Amino acid sequence: DAGVIQSPRHEVTEMGQEVTLRCKPISGHNSLFWYRQTMMRGLELLIYFNNNVPIDDSGMPEDRFSAKMPNASFSTLKIQPSEPRDSAVYFCASSFRDGYEQYFGPGTRLTVT
Amino acid sequence: LAKTTQPISMDSYEGQEVNITCSHNNIATNDYITWYQQFPSQGPRFIIQGYKTKVTNEVASLFIPADRKSSTLSLPRVSLSDTAVYYCLVGERGFQKLVFGTGTRLLVSP
Repeated sequence: DAGVIQSPRHEVTEMGQEVTLRCKPISGHNSLFWYRQTMMRGLELLIYFNNNVPIDDSGMPEDRFSAKMPNASFSTLKIQPSEPRDSAVYFCASSFRDGYEQYFGPGTRLTVT
Repeated sequence: LAKTTQPISMDSYEGQEVNITCSHNNIATNDYITWYQQFPSQGPRFIIQGYKTKVTNEVASLFIPADRKSSTLSLPRVSLSDTAVYYCLVGERGFQKLVFGTGTRLLVSP
């Protein structure tokens, strides 16, 4: 298996623009997670899905952030409008049944100027 | 969620054994102890998980005393490529919401 796939790997955008991050989980995994990592705040869980249904979005920082999982093989994290403080590395992870062993993607490095 | 405490950083040399201890005084009966490893510019990677006593796999060993209030990740004969951040997490098996602390930054030198 190719592992968790994220795109784009790098994104540079201007403040106010919409940003969409994409994730393809490992086939057969039924849980998907979105994390954000910064030097100041470390690795934070934003939202996770189980069987395509959002279970906990308490980590989503603001209404500017939204996530969808239309099917078992695809998820998006959207930021609209983006702000400089959203600059971070965004990771997607997936797991099969038990959530303890999560497989992380390579991340998307987002820079908002 | 049980709070975990681990050293911020550790230094070692190639070929040495490295032991990273994590404190989790409020661990609950149903909680498991899990360790992840994160290399620079990569996502975290699951290393090992245990409930009690000792667990060993091809990467590391995990030692958990009887009171389970702490655990020690042991990396045998480290190499330069083991330089990474190591996270200790505690939660119920199957618990989805992993909370990553600051981790332990291990630097292995020649």
